[in-house]
Amino acid sequence: GENVEQHPSTLSVQEGDSAVIKCTYSDSASNYFPWYKQELGKRPQLIIDIRSNVGEKKDQRIAVTLNKTAKHFSLHITETQPEDSAVYFCAASILLNDMRFGAGTRLTVKP
Amino acid sequence: GAVVSQHPSWVICKSGTSVKIECRSLDFQATTMFWYRQFPKQSLMLMATSNEGSKATYEQGVEKDKFLINHASLTLSTLTVTSAHPEDSSFYICSARVQGYGYTFGSGTRLTVV
Repeated sequence: GENVEQHPSTLSVQEGDSAVIKCTYSDSASNYFPWYKQELGKRPQLIIDIRSNVGEKKDQRIAVTLNKTAKHFSLHITETQPEDSAVYFCAASILLNDMRFGAGTRLTVKP
Repeated sequence: GAVVSQHPSWVICKSGTSVKIECRSLDFQATTMFWYRQFPKQSLMLMATSNEGSKATYEQGVEKDKFLINHASLTLSTLTVTSAHPEDSSFYICSARVQGYGYTFGSGTRLTVV
């Protein structure tokens, strides 16, 4: 089955700096790659997603890139703010079937 | 749109008892529901996939007789933790597939077994 690896497990940046989180997946058939932000005890919140027919997608300060050949995708957050502090998860699925999550990255943005 | 309501949000039960968690799709038909478990500071681990009217498909290592999943209607899926033990204490969360959109999550259930 699909295996998603995520790095780093923790990331601390200064407010205003950029943050990058990287994920790799194992199943070349995966075609949907969402990123979630989760605050303690809450449900994951979708922040951006990308499908395999697109190489890059941007939404304000958040962007995701996908390299299908290398089977990796990355989340980029620019101009980070303290409220960006949370745990971020990448995930992968095939045709919206069972979705597998990465291990998570705890992002801390220091004021 | 595409809201999944999950109840209860938290529950404390005695060891050996059973607990039922419900997920209802409020404004769409959830033909497929995914059940995840999340231990503190860990990722969401898929436990099982349920399709309406069919038996659930469990992930390797998940005991189907302990975690009973029922998906008898297009708007309701339930997870029953039977004979709960302290090691079952976790955050359980459901997720429904929404055609043309992706996934929508329930709000999660914090289960504590004492």
